[in-house]
Amino acid sequence: GNSVTQMEGPVTLSEEAFLTINCTYTATGYPSLFWYVQYPGEGLQLLLKATKADDKGSNKGFEATYRKETTSFHLEKGSVQVSDSAVYFCALSASSGGSYIPTFGRGTSLIVHP
Amino acid sequence: EPEVTQTPSHQVTQMGQEVILRCVPISNHLYFYWYRQILGQKVEFLVSFYNNEISEKSEIFDDQFSVERPDGSNFTLKIRSTKLEDSAMYFCASRPQGNIQYFGAGTRLSVL
Repeated sequence: GNSVTQMEGPVTLSEEAFLTINCTYTATGYPSLFWYVQYPGEGLQLLLKATKADDKGSNKGFEATYRKETTSFHLEKGSVQVSDSAVYFCALSASSGGSYIPTFGRGTSLIVHP
Repeated sequence: EPEVTQTPSHQVTQMGQEVILRCVPISNHLYFYWYRQILGQKVEFLVSFYNNEISEKSEIFDDQFSVERPDGSNFTLKIRSTKLEDSAMYFCASRPQGNIQYFGAGTRLSVL
């Protein structure tokens, strides 16, 4: 079956530090890959996505590249801000008869200090 | 921007009681979902709903759970007789055609 593994948190960084949150997956077929973010007290928001190999998703300074050869979709940001403090979820979605039910990782908490 | 709305944000109940968690999906969306996240664990799929019927459900979604779209705007999850292990964050989601789901802020259910 499908699964997503992401690094355990919390990840604690100082403002302007470089961020990497690792995510690897196993899937049958050719899934789409996503990063969702959950800010305190809010719902899951789609941060970025990639639908095929070598695609790079990007949004708000975050990037992730769909690497089929390493089955990875690592999230990166060159310079984090305090406002980036949130929980980040890696997910995959593979169509199964028209169903797009994502499989989520456990989430990685990011804490950014001023 | 349209959003998925869930109420209440926090529900406290006694073991064995029935609870109804409410969701208002985005108005032109066609597919509706419930997920749960036990503290510290993964977000888990419970059920999907399309065209006024359940289209898919997980092993977690047993006879204690039911969903309903009673009036064309609300989408509810009912737990008939809550257990301690039902304590979790419950997320509602909806989507139009395509593979991007839009999530609500969640309802934290605490079963005492």
